[in-house]
Amino acid sequence: QQQVKQSPQSLIVQKGGISIINCAYENTAFDYFPWYQQFPGKGPALLIAIRPDVSEKKEGRFTISFNKSAKQFSLHIMDSQPGDSATYFCAASRGDSNYQLIWGAGTKLIIKP
Amino acid sequence: DTAVSQTPKYLVTQMGNDKSIKCEQNLGHDTMYWYKQDSKKFLKIMFSYNNKELIINETVPNRFSPKSPDKAHLNLHINSLELGDSAVYFCASSGGGGGGTQYFGPGTRLLVL
Repeated sequence: QQQVKQSPQSLIVQKGGISIINCAYENTAFDYFPWYQQFPGKGPALLIAIRPDVSEKKEGRFTISFNKSAKQFSLHIMDSQPGDSATYFCAASRGDSNYQLIWGAGTKLIIKP
Repeated sequence: DTAVSQTPKYLVTQMGNDKSIKCEQNLGHDTMYWYKQDSKKFLKIMFSYNNKELIINETVPNRFSPKSPDKAHLNLHINSLELGDSAVYFCASSGGGGGGTQYFGPGTRLLVL
C-alpha cells in the first residue's frame, strides 16, 4: 500500500512532442505528490508538485494532472526539448509522516532532436 | 553557496575497508536523509534524521551507521565494504514546512573493488 508505480521505464520523444509519464498509488492518505528531475551526474531536484485539492497544476511547459478517484497522477511535458532529457521520478507522501517520500522507480526520458 | 554538499564526490576502495561520507546543509533544515541509488537509478531511502534524532531507519545492513553531530550535518559510515555497496549515495535535507521538498546533494559515487 506504500508503493508508487511509475511507467514507462524509458521514453523516447521527438523534439517538440509531448512527453507523458504516469504514476499510480494505493495509499489514500497521501497528500503531496511531487515530481523530481535528475540530470546525469546530479542529484534529483524538485520540478513541480501538486496536492489533491486540485486536478491540474501547470508551470511553464510542465503540467501535473491528478485523478484522485483513480489514484493516478501524471507529468506532461509540452514542446519537449533535448534539454529535458533526464530521469524523472514521481513520489508521494503524507503530511503526518514527516513528509517521508515514497518514490516511483523513475523514467529515463530522451528527447531526440 | 552550495545548499547541500557532500564529500567526497568519488570514492574507490577495496572490499573490507571502512569509509565515511560527509554531508552538510546550509539551508537551516531540520531533517536530513541518506539515499542509495543503484545502477538502475532506483532511489532507496536509508536513513532520516530530524533535529539529530533518527526517525527513519530502513532495512539496511548494520554495517551502515549514520551520525548527526548537529542539525546541519549527517555523516554515513560504512564498515566492511562489499561489492554490492557500489552505488551513488545522496544526502538530502528538507524543512518540512515547505511541503516536504527535499534538496539533494551532488552525490558520492562509491565503487568497491
